[in-house]
This record gives sequence, C-alpha cells and structure tokens, in this order.
Amino acid sequence: GIQVEQSPPDLILQEGANSTLRCNFSDSVNNLQWFHQNPWGQLINLFYIPSGTKQNGRLSATTVATERYSLLYISSSQTTDSGVYFCAVESPSGTYKYIFGTGTRLKVLA
Amino acid sequence: SQTIHQWPATLVQPVGSPLSLECTVEGTSNPNLYWYRQAAGRGLQLLFYSVGIGQISSEVPQNLSASRPQDRQFILSSKKLLLSDSGFYLCAWREFGNEKLFFGSGTQLSVL
Repeated sequence: GIQVEQSPPDLILQEGANSTLRCNFSDSVNNLQWFHQNPWGQLINLFYIPSGTKQNGRLSATTVATERYSLLYISSSQTTDSGVYFCAVESPSGTYKYIFGTGTRLKVLA
Repeated sequence: SQTIHQWPATLVQPVGSPLSLECTVEGTSNPNLYWYRQAAGRGLQLLFYSVGIGQISSEVPQNLSASRPQDRQFILSSKKLLLSDSGFYLCAWREFGNEKLFFGSGTQLSVL
C-alpha cells in the first residue's frame, strides 16, 4: 500500500520562528489533507490540498503531486501551534481510505 | 451544520471484557465513516471504514469488529479485550462528494 513519511519527526521552535514540515508519499494520490492534533487529542482539518498552494493566516501549504510531496509552512509561530501535524492521503483507486503519515511533533517555546 | 459525536471520552476495561464504542454523525446523509486507532506518541492507523449501511471494510486483522446498523451510526466492538487494544480511538466521517475528513473527539481506552 501507499507509504506516507513526514519530516522532521520532532521540532522545537522559539515563538516567532518560521518552520517547514514535509510530507512524502510513495504513489499517486487523489486527495491530501493536513491536520493539527492539539494536546487534548482533537484533530483539526487545516488544508485540503491535492495540488497547488493555499494560505490561511500564518499557515500555508503546497502540494507538488507530480513529485509526490507536500509542504506545510508555519510563520511567526505561537505556543498554540504546538501539537502534532499529520498529512493524510487518499490513494487514487477509489477506496475512500485516508492513510496518515507518521506525524511531526512541534513544540513552540515562549 | 454537521456534527460528530463519539463516546465515552475515557474508558478503563479489564482484559477479557467486551467493548462497544459508538459514533454518530448529525446533519448529513450517507457519509463515509471511519475508525482509527492511535497508540501513545504514534500516528493514526486505519481500522475500519464504511461507505454504507452494513458495508464494512477491515484494514487490520485483529481482535476488533465494526458495524453500521444505521446510516449515521458506526460501532466498534470487541468480545474480549487484549492489553494491546489500549489506545486512542477516533471516529471520522466524510460527506459523500466532499473530500474532507472530520474527526470526533476520541475515546482513550486503557485495558488493564
């Protein structure tokens, strides 16, 4: 099945710093989403981005489907950005399955 | 608007006891429904998904089963829990024709 790898696995930032999180996938995908899991376990949908670039406030994401990767940019990080960031992909076979990446654990220090 | 309910929030069960976790979605029809499990400090593993009533696809052979008795209800069950069943269980839904996935608040299961 499709493999989804994220890097880095862990990241510690000082408040105000910028960061880039990467998601690599092993096969063509139909859909790709980025999620943030807060310290209480809740998963929040950040972006639905099978291709191209989107921005939402301090966050933006870019997916280059032909090269099988996606990037999540966090600018001017805040302590509330702490948590785990996941990308999830749906294979193109119409299976309706979303496979999650390994995650990046981010800690933003005040 | 659509909402997803998942309960209970936490559960402590002895080894060998049965399990039933319930998830319901409101405000939509014919959603795709999913059960994921997350071990401590790890990623999300897809356990089951369903595209309609009575239609269940299993991703990982294990001690668990799922059922979808109604359009917007998804149940995760076990007849006899194992220690290895401990984890954070998340229900998710996806509206037909919409690619976004939305999650419930999760159930933290501890098997002792």
